Amino acid sequence: QQQVKQSPQSLIVQKGGISIINCAYENTAFDYFPWYQQFPGKGPALLIAIRPDVSEKKEGRFTISFNKSAKQFSLHIMDSQPGDSATYFCAASWGNYQLIWGAGTKLIIKP
Amino acid sequence: ETGVTQTPRHLVMGMTNKKSLKCEQHLGHNAMYWYKQSAKKPLELMFVYNFKEQTENNSVPSRFSPECPNSSHLFLHLHTLQPEDSALYLCASSLRLAGGPDTQYFGPGTRLTVL
Repeated sequence: QQQVKQSPQSLIVQKGGISIINCAYENTAFDYFPWYQQFPGKGPALLIAIRPDVSEKKEGRFTISFNKSAKQFSLHIMDSQPGDSATYFCAASWGNYQLIWGAGTKLIIKP
Repeated sequence: ETGVTQTPRHLVMGMTNKKSLKCEQHLGHNAMYWYKQSAKKPLELMFVYNFKEQTENNSVPSRFSPECPNSSHLFLHLHTLQPEDSALYLCASSLRLAGGPDTQYFGPGTRLTVL
């Protein structure tokens, strides 16, 4: 019940395309869903986050879509660029600091 | 230096060695964390400190021993490690622990190899 399942494990997208990464959870008490981005040789950095009172949040080319009934949320990267190539982690928490992490998606954007 | 720094960046040690990892945050945060990152696995939270006090130990083996002398510094002392302990060890900090989730800021990690 404490797991967050992330898919796909790896993803290759052409430059200019849309990258989509999905996460699913079981614990309905989760109330905070961040996405972190990690470049090689760096630690993860917060990219965008959402709370379950909204179904979508957009920041530039990055959008989180949230489906409370399905217990799923996804990250969409529009107009994907080679600089977006990184590993993306979804996570969830339920009102405290402890994040439950997905296993990560390695995204490669081909020029 | 800005953000969260970690030293060393790479460490190779034998199973009988003793070594320490160091983390320093320059963000004025009060909470610090140690995570273990293994390939294709979720990040594993190991220890959490809040205002220098340990608040979380996620059943970590005693061969890992944390130390937090002040809110800016965090150490992870290692002794008699096993090859399966080879991983990237990440330090993170956040402004607070209470009052809901807060953005965690990560250092670049120490890549540990146990021979």
